[in-house]
Amino acid sequence: QVQLVGSGGGVVQPGRSLRLSCAASGFTFSNYGMHWVRQAPGKGLEWVAAIWYDGSLKYYADSVKGRFTISRDNSNNTQYLQMNSLRADDTAVYYCARGSGYYSGVCDYWGQGTLVTVSS
Amino acid sequence: DIQMTQSPSPLSASVGDRVTITCQASQDISNSLNWYQQKPGRAPELLIYDASNLETGVPSRFSGSGSGTDFTFTISSLQPEDIATYYCQHYDNFPYSFGQGTKLEIK
Repeated sequence: QVQLVGSGGGVVQPGRSLRLSCAASGFTFSNYGMHWVRQAPGKGLEWVAAIWYDGSLKYYADSVKGRFTISRDNSNNTQYLQMNSLRADDTAVYYCARGSGYYSGVCDYWGQGTLVTVSS
Repeated sequence: DIQMTQSPSPLSASVGDRVTITCQASQDISNSLNWYQQKPGRAPELLIYDASNLETGVPSRFSGSGSGTDFTFTISSLQPEDIATYYCQHYDNFPYSFGQGTKLEIK
C-alpha cells in the first residue's frame, strides 16, 4: 500500500533553516510527481511546491519562492523541502502528497503531516 | 494567480439532507479541479478529480460537476461520518491554490 512518511519538523527560530523529508513506499516513486501542502494552525490548506517525477521541473507558491527548495532522490524514494529564512507565518503542518501521475496536480495520497513551529 | 472562492462556510445540515458546496475560480480552469475532505487532526483525502470523477473507493453519494469557472460538489444524502471540512483545489497552472474550505456541521 502507498505510504508517505514525513519527518524533520520541529521548533526553529525566525531566520533559521529546516529540512523536511518525505519517505515513500508502496509504489514506483520515480514515476510520480510530488507536492508539499501546508496548513497553519486553525487555517485552510495552502499549496507550497511541486516537483516533476524526474526532478526536472519545480514550482513554488509566491509566499515561499526564493526561500524554499523542493528536491527528490529517486534512488532513495524520498522527497525533501529545504526551508530557509523561516518566518513566523511559515508555522504550519506540512503535508507531502503524491501527484497521480508524472506531472499531475491531483494529490491522491497524503502523508500524516509534520509540524513546523517558527518561534523565538 | 488564480483565486478559488468557496461557499458557504460554515454549512449546517441534517443527516439525510442533500448538501451542495460551490467553488468559483477567478478565471477559466476548464475541468482542472479537485475536491478533498479533511477530518479534524487528519490529512486531506481526495474525493473528486477532474471536476467530476469519483476517486476509487469513495462512496457514490459524493459527486462533482462544472467546468470553466463554476463548480459544484454534492453529497446526495448526508451521513454522520461526512462531518469534515471540504476544499476545492485548481491545478490549471502554477501556482495551484485551494479554496478557503467549507466546514460541514450536523444540525
